[in-house]
Amino acid sequence: QVQLQESGPGLVKPSQTLSLTCSVSGDSISNKGYYWSWIRQHPGKGLEWIGYIFYSGSTKYNPSLKSRVTISQDTSKNHFSLRLTSVTAADTAVYYCARIVGPVGRFDPWGQGSLVTVSS
Amino acid sequence: SYVLTQAPSVSVAPGQTATITCGGNNIGNKNVHWYQQKPGQAPVVVVYDDSDRPSGIPERFSGSNSGSMATLTISRVEAGDEADYYCQVWDSSTDHVWVWVFGGGTKLTVL
Repeated sequence: QVQLQESGPGLVKPSQTLSLTCSVSGDSISNKGYYWSWIRQHPGKGLEWIGYIFYSGSTKYNPSLKSRVTISQDTSKNHFSLRLTSVTAADTAVYYCARIVGPVGRFDPWGQGSLVTVSS
Repeated sequence: SYVLTQAPSVSVAPGQTATITCGGNNIGNKNVHWYQQKPGQAPVVVVYDDSDRPSGIPERFSGSNSGSMATLTISRVEAGDEADYYCQVWDSSTDHVWVWVFGGGTKLTVL
């Protein structure tokens, strides 16, 4: 059974960098069949795809966030990470990691989510 | 960019059928996935690739997709089905840029 778990600071100051890690168990992020992704959900709002990383290290990002986002991986630890720079209050959200399954990508499974608040 | 449109809310009595729609330009040409999200929890896939059901999801959940509308149907609705439901597609129609797009979500209330 594949499980994902987000971890990282719950509070980040404005203009600083948000950093989260997703630890994966039950599957390898080196598996060629899947993409590993980040999604966020603003409080009381809908879902927004942030980006993904493939086993090869290639990445794709949501154009709306591309200039501030980096997703990286550590295959030795079987985890992947999110960095979002120059954060503002508008980046306050629950951040989820998830596996993308299939050639036209459903997210399955998801981590339980990590609330990150941007505030001084 | 590709947009998916969902009604904000749907209400249904227990035992009745709930119909949740997701509108998009030629969405019938795409694979649509549906997620259920209960308060404080992560989303869970209930239907994928328009009409397939993951193991463990009741047969009461079904999906269809044609033209400009995809539909999630929940038969014999139970109190435990009360949740937010999101549709999602993969799109590359804008400058061949890959994006995963979600609808705005529909809150299902069981009366």
